[in-house]
Amino acid sequence: AQKITQTQPGMFVQEKEAVTLDCTYDTSDPSYGLFWYKQPSSGEMIFLIYQGSYDQQNATEGRYSLNFQKARKSANLVISASQLGDSAMYFCAMRDQQTGANNLFFGTGTRLTVIP
Amino acid sequence: DAGVIQSPRHEVTEMGQEVTLRCKPISGHDYLFWYRQTMMRGLELLIYFNNNVPIDDSGMPEDRFSAKMPNASFSTLKIQPSEPRDSAVYFCASSLGEYPEKLFFGSGTQLSVL
Repeated sequence: AQKITQTQPGMFVQEKEAVTLDCTYDTSDPSYGLFWYKQPSSGEMIFLIYQGSYDQQNATEGRYSLNFQKARKSANLVISASQLGDSAMYFCAMRDQQTGANNLFFGTGTRLTVIP
Repeated sequence: DAGVIQSPRHEVTEMGQEVTLRCKPISGHDYLFWYRQTMMRGLELLIYFNNNVPIDDSGMPEDRFSAKMPNASFSTLKIQPSEPRDSAVYFCASSLGEYPEKLFFGSGTQLSVL
């Protein structure tokens, strides 16, 4: 079974609007971490936000927030007030005891296009 | 502060040639990872090191791939002999190994094997 599932190969959003990128995960470990990375066309991988399985509140980092629904095993990324520079690939990733203490397992990504 | 530095950014070689990719992790980071990214398989972990020691190399495709970390500031990934199916973007990443243990990635090496 896939550890990380991103069901949206591509998404479009109007500039200044909010957008939600979906991510579901599969693990039986009680302790795990969820990450979102951004990969612009230049190719580098940029860390955006982190959510720990024991964190009581949803993580937020500026315009990024993580909608963490533990029972549903989902960790959707919400980008508010989209900007043209947000156009990129977005990867959800997970670390649990099975993947290894410091390794991340990545989803297949969602390509976000922000329309002016 | 300098991030993870990879070289070269682009490498074009012919099948059968040896390829060496280089990585300098962020100073003070104890963990170093090599990932490969392809359209078909996405991002895959090849190998990772902790304090210069290889911990998990189960993702290394075959014996043609080898990785070394002779010291805390340098790692290489070598492919010998290279094949067209090795064409991919190879990322190096490093981590402090402390909560939340996020990985910092280099800019990647785009490898094309003709």
